[in-house]
Amino acid sequence: KAGVTQTPRYLIKTRGQQVTLSCSPISGHRSVSWYQQTPGQGLQFLFEYFSETQRNKGNFPGRFSGRQFSNSRSEMNVSTLELGDSALYLCASSFADTGGEKLFFGSGTQLSVL
Amino acid sequence: QQQVKQSPQSLIVQKGGISIINCAYENTAFDYFPWYQQFPGKGPALLIAIRPDVSEKKEGRFTISFNKSAKQFSLHIMDSQPGDSATYFCAASMYGGSQGNLIFGKGTKLSVKP
Repeated sequence: KAGVTQTPRYLIKTRGQQVTLSCSPISGHRSVSWYQQTPGQGLQFLFEYFSETQRNKGNFPGRFSGRQFSNSRSEMNVSTLELGDSALYLCASSFADTGGEKLFFGSGTQLSVL
Repeated sequence: QQQVKQSPQSLIVQKGGISIINCAYENTAFDYFPWYQQFPGKGPALLIAIRPDVSEKKEGRFTISFNKSAKQFSLHIMDSQPGDSATYFCAASMYGGSQGNLIFGKGTKLSVKP
């Protein structure tokens, strides 16, 4: 069974640009969550989608957005990039039906903003 | 209110020794407490998780101890091996972890010396 796939693996952008990251969850998983990982702030929850609906959102500015498609694949978008957006962006998927479900993380997209 | 505090930041243990990592939380609404292991270049992977209705859970060499009154929980790694060298994150969430919105500690970098 394939794991969570994130593309691209690495990205370099300049300030002011926008970026779109992609995540393919494990087959059958309906929930996709996104996290930002930085050395200073650690792992921070961005948002979670379940059946194409955003069900939960972390404390990030509106420049960070996402969506989920009918096949459960998800994308996140960051507009007007800032230097501080440089981070590893991780996607995680789960069945998310009964609680305590195991989150399976992808290897992430390393975003560098110059 | 939402913070999870993890200590120590780094830990060096001899092969065969016991590694102990501690976490404390504030929000009594948290009802799901997982531990994740992350190797360089990879996303976090779930090791073991506990609910507040039990005080201890053991899986192989990994044990979670949970103290509800003190709002603390810890990970014990028995017979630590060089292959256990990784960064460990504690986390907490509400709704039994069903909505993917984990609050992570800042992580502990464990090095197991041969």
